[in-house]
Amino acid sequence: EVQLVQSGAEVKKPGESLKISCKASGYNFPDYWIGWVRQMPGKGLEWMGVIYPGDSDTRYSPSFQGQVTISADKSINTAYLQWHSLKASDTAMYYCGRPQGSGYQVDYWGHGTLVTVSS
Amino acid sequence: SNVLTQPPSVSVAPGKTARITCGENNIGSKSVHWYQQKPGQAPVLVIYYDSDRPSGIPERFSGSNSENTATLTISRVEAGDEADYYCQVWDRSSDHVVFGGGTKLTVL
Repeated sequence: EVQLVQSGAEVKKPGESLKISCKASGYNFPDYWIGWVRQMPGKGLEWMGVIYPGDSDTRYSPSFQGQVTISADKSINTAYLQWHSLKASDTAMYYCGRPQGSGYQVDYWGHGTLVTVSS
Repeated sequence: SNVLTQPPSVSVAPGKTARITCGENNIGSKSVHWYQQKPGQAPVLVIYYDSDRPSGIPERFSGSNSENTATLTISRVEAGDEADYYCQVWDRSSDHVVFGGGTKLTVL
């Protein structure tokens, strides 16, 4: 059974760094893209970017390029989303998901990690 | 850049048919996927490649895509279908994934 298990909720202050994780199981992790999606409070879904763990090919949506870092460690089947300096506007739920096929449809999702940034 | 336009809300009585649209110039040339998201839960894929249904999704859910509009149709709507629905495409030319703004389906 495919599962994506995300790390727990975080409360941080502006300017702090953060790295959240998404651990995959039930399939061959290096062979599938992993993506990250942001959902700000009361708002819609926003695609942030994807990584292919097999060769670490990473692609960011224009709105998130330079704002976050997506990485993966295929030795432990885990993908990461990282911020070097958080802002209050980073407060959101973050989902990892496994896009596949030629249309990048996400067939499996993590449960989400709530990140709260407040002074 | 992609702009997928969805109506903010759609209301339907139980047992009737709900239609949720997703508009973009020439969207018919792309594959459209649809997700259902209930409050406090992760999204769930309900339609992919315009009209295919993942296993476990009721046949009441169907999709179509032509010219400038893709449509998610939910037949014999039930109270449990109340949720936010999002369309999604991958734009091959820009290599970007885009979501629509979402539609809140209310079952009256």
